[in-house]
Amino acid sequence: DAEITQSPRHKITETGRQVTLACHQTWNHNNMFWYRQDLGHGLRLIHYSYGVQDTNKGEVSDGYSVSRSNTEDLPLTLESAASSQTSVYFCASSESFSGLDEQYFGPGTRLTVT
Amino acid sequence: AQSVAQPEDQVNVAEGNPLTVKCTYSVSGNPYLFWYVQYPNRGLQFLLKYITGDNLVKGSYGFEAEFNKSQTSFHLKKPSALVSDSALYFCAVSIRSNDYKLSFGAGTTVTVRA
Repeated sequence: DAEITQSPRHKITETGRQVTLACHQTWNHNNMFWYRQDLGHGLRLIHYSYGVQDTNKGEVSDGYSVSRSNTEDLPLTLESAASSQTSVYFCASSESFSGLDEQYFGPGTRLTVT
Repeated sequence: AQSVAQPEDQVNVAEGNPLTVKCTYSVSGNPYLFWYVQYPNRGLQFLLKYITGDNLVKGSYGFEAEFNKSQTSFHLKKPSALVSDSALYFCAVSIRSNDYKLSFGAGTTVTVRA
């Protein structure tokens, strides 16, 4: 069965370190998204991609970057981790650009920055 | 601009009773509306969506939602709640003019007591 996976599932890092969170989907979806989930805020969009070599900033993109070199993967990099980036991160994918399709979510990565 | 409000942080119901989770939205244009559910330590799962057509939408696990344009609402309902429906529920909206990016509400925690 097709799926979307994230790794690691849990990560503890120190302030100032670079961290990369992996996201891999086997749906062959063009669209991929990164969100962070914080209490009281729901999910907020960090970055998104509508295809290979395409990346776009979401509403909370400062301090994060992504790259899309193939259809399956959209890694999220925290350039210099800050305590404010302690959160649960979710990757998602969807099939088309039309907005009609639901997003499929990964299991999440819980990141703690100390 | 687009936004979603879930006015209740928590909803508590007895098993077998009707369940309603409220959602209101604010958009410029025609909205696409979604409900997702999140079980503990899991990613979000799609429940149902409204794109166009019939205002009453039926989804997974016996849930349904009614789109009300005049009240800008999209409340989630289930006629008879189960203990297994206890979870975190998110309403989300997207619009064409914002590239169909999803905006999520803060979430409503549903607890169904036996």
